[in-house]
Amino acid sequence: GESVGLHLPTLSVQEGDNSIINCAYSNSASDYFIWYKQESGKGPQFIIDIRSNMDKRQGQRVTVLLNKTVKHLSLQIAATQPGDSAVYFCAEYSSASKIIFGSGTRLSIRP
Amino acid sequence: DSGVTQTPKHLITATGQRVTLRCSPRSGDLSVYWYQQSLDQGLQFLIQYYNGEERAKGNILERFSAQQFPDLHSELNLSSLELGDSALYFCASSLKLDEQFFGPGTRLTVL
Repeated sequence: GESVGLHLPTLSVQEGDNSIINCAYSNSASDYFIWYKQESGKGPQFIIDIRSNMDKRQGQRVTVLLNKTVKHLSLQIAATQPGDSAVYFCAEYSSASKIIFGSGTRLSIRP
Repeated sequence: DSGVTQTPKHLITATGQRVTLRCSPRSGDLSVYWYQQSLDQGLQFLIQYYNGEERAKGNILERFSAQQFPDLHSELNLSSLELGDSALYFCASSLKLDEQFFGPGTRLTVL
């Protein structure tokens, strides 16, 4: 498949370790956030979301943390697996229907 | 399989031409979103339709237009194409402003 973002920052993680991917968002009025995973040659896939009235939300092996004070979002993946290799995007939504995607981070897994 | 379909999968055309990309949303989803993903600019939100009406606009050029039909499928029209329009174009659908389901994308190459 086509490579996405040849100049993306890359996070390299040992298989089995935890991964933390960070995202700084831009609009203080954003009230809804989503993390997407995009594998090579495919469209983005929803991972987890969080609303601005929360600061933490957990899913299966994934946790999203939201710090509105510094406009920062993070995605934590527990026990990273080879199948987690992908580009990860955060997206912010505001009530004005503004949707802004982050530039993405490439997660690479070392065996 | 997200349930969102896009056609064609690949499109190769020349500068100055016009093309139409088609998207069928998931059954029951009322919102359709269009995105452009290029290597150097990441995922850019273009436009959103909700139940046939334009809901939000992002970084969409005047040479581009879209519409959503009564059966909820959507078309993105790109005209006076330039080399820089070469990109992946994704369509996504959702029921509300929440989890979006992305299609497989259309890869446009302008020569």
